[in-house]
Amino acid sequence: DQQVKQNSPSLSVQEGRISILNCDYTNSMFDYFLWYKKYPAEGPTFLISISSIKDKNEDGRFTVFLNKSAKHLSLHIVPSQPGDSAVYFCAASDGTGNQFYFGTGTSLTVIP
Amino acid sequence: GAGVSQSPSNKVTEKGKDVELRCDPISGHTALYWYRQRLGQGLEFLIYFQGNSAPDKSGLPSDRFSAERTGESVSTLTIQRTQQEDSAVYLCASSLRNFRVAGTTNYGYTFGSGTRLTVV
Repeated sequence: DQQVKQNSPSLSVQEGRISILNCDYTNSMFDYFLWYKKYPAEGPTFLISISSIKDKNEDGRFTVFLNKSAKHLSLHIVPSQPGDSAVYFCAASDGTGNQFYFGTGTSLTVIP
Repeated sequence: GAGVSQSPSNKVTEKGKDVELRCDPISGHTALYWYRQRLGQGLEFLIYFQGNSAPDKSGLPSDRFSAERTGESVSTLTIQRTQQEDSAVYLCASSLRNFRVAGTTNYGYTFGSGTRLTVV
């Protein structure tokens, strides 16, 4: 049972435009969320996080938005750069266990 | 070391054989996690170690899977009698402590590059 879902397996965006990656979750107990970025043949690397007490967190070109009522979060990258081309995973935690639950990832391609 | 190191990076094994995967966490990281990613799927939690506490084995898919960790250092994940459905990238991650320690700045885990296991 996939508790964290990324329904778009891939996304292509022109360089300089905004990339929006979406993530939905089913467990209302999730209260901490992360985005990871993964290049081929490398492990995922942490990108940005948000806790449920916030609805937005910004770090440079990356902003994560959280809509708790909709159980939805999104990652905005603006402006997108070719180096942003990677697979992006969202992950969520409910604080009761020792794991994050990961989505299946969205492959972003930024076209120069 | 500077990062989480996993070996081997690739492993091809015959169905029914045992395999052992190794993870060297970042020095000083007391928490260690194993995940796997099968083709087209998200990262799947397998097992968690925290210091000398009993590991959280709740994600291990069958009794063919086991893992050990010596203190706060190296961990090995062993898969016995491998099956084709075990083919996946096995990822190890470490963190300073359980990521949910209150009041700490949390950057999640640091992952290794993974071991790509192919069972033929």
